[in-house]
Amino acid sequence: NAGVTQTPKFQVLKTGQSMTLQCAQDMNHEYMSWYRQDPGMGLRLIHYSVGAGITDQGEVPNGYNVSRSTTEDFPLRLLSAAPSQTSVYFCASSFDRGNQPQHFGDGTRLSIL
Amino acid sequence: SQELEQSPQSLIVQEGKNLTINCTSSKTLYGLYWYKQKYGEGLIFLMMLQKGGEEKSHEKITAKLDEKKQQSSLHITASQPSHAGIYLCGADRLSYNTDKLIFGTGTRLQVFP
Repeated sequence: NAGVTQTPKFQVLKTGQSMTLQCAQDMNHEYMSWYRQDPGMGLRLIHYSVGAGITDQGEVPNGYNVSRSTTEDFPLRLLSAAPSQTSVYFCASSFDRGNQPQHFGDGTRLSIL
Repeated sequence: SQELEQSPQSLIVQEGKNLTINCTSSKTLYGLYWYKQKYGEGLIFLMMLQKGGEEKSHEKITAKLDEKKQQSSLHITASQPSHAGIYLCGADRLSYNTDKLIFGTGTRLQVFP
């Protein structure tokens, strides 16, 4: 059981470049989410999905897109990278929306130059 | 004000000592999760507590949710260097009627030989 797998683990981008952060889970979880973790700001929700074909915005969605074509995968796309998007990104999943612990990936450390 | 307050913010203990971390919520908790984050890594789920008075243990770590379900404590017995990291409590989304996880401020634990 791999749990939640994020790729890549590290990435450096130039301003204006686009890229996709991958997230996959093998636990048949319906709920998946993306957070960013910045010093002094804790974890902030970017986007989330309650099931395949359904996504919604979190606290800080601007500059990011998501899609959920399968239960397993929940990629996060940066449309045009900006230095303010330098952060550590975590993908998480849980069985359903409420009262279930979320399982986190190991994170993607992204630097935008 | 922070909805989930943790204390202390940081803790330095000698190997073998016991320690306690507290997490206080401003609202009644439907579920309270404890996570550990090693420096530079993702969040590892430790335990989930749902019922007032519930107590769970894993190896040398014990967590308890108080009867009124607004406070939890995490106790480590005979600490080891492997216990070092950041401990985060998280409230179930239903507790705060939100789509994001609410996390505490975190407690940074260092264990020296």
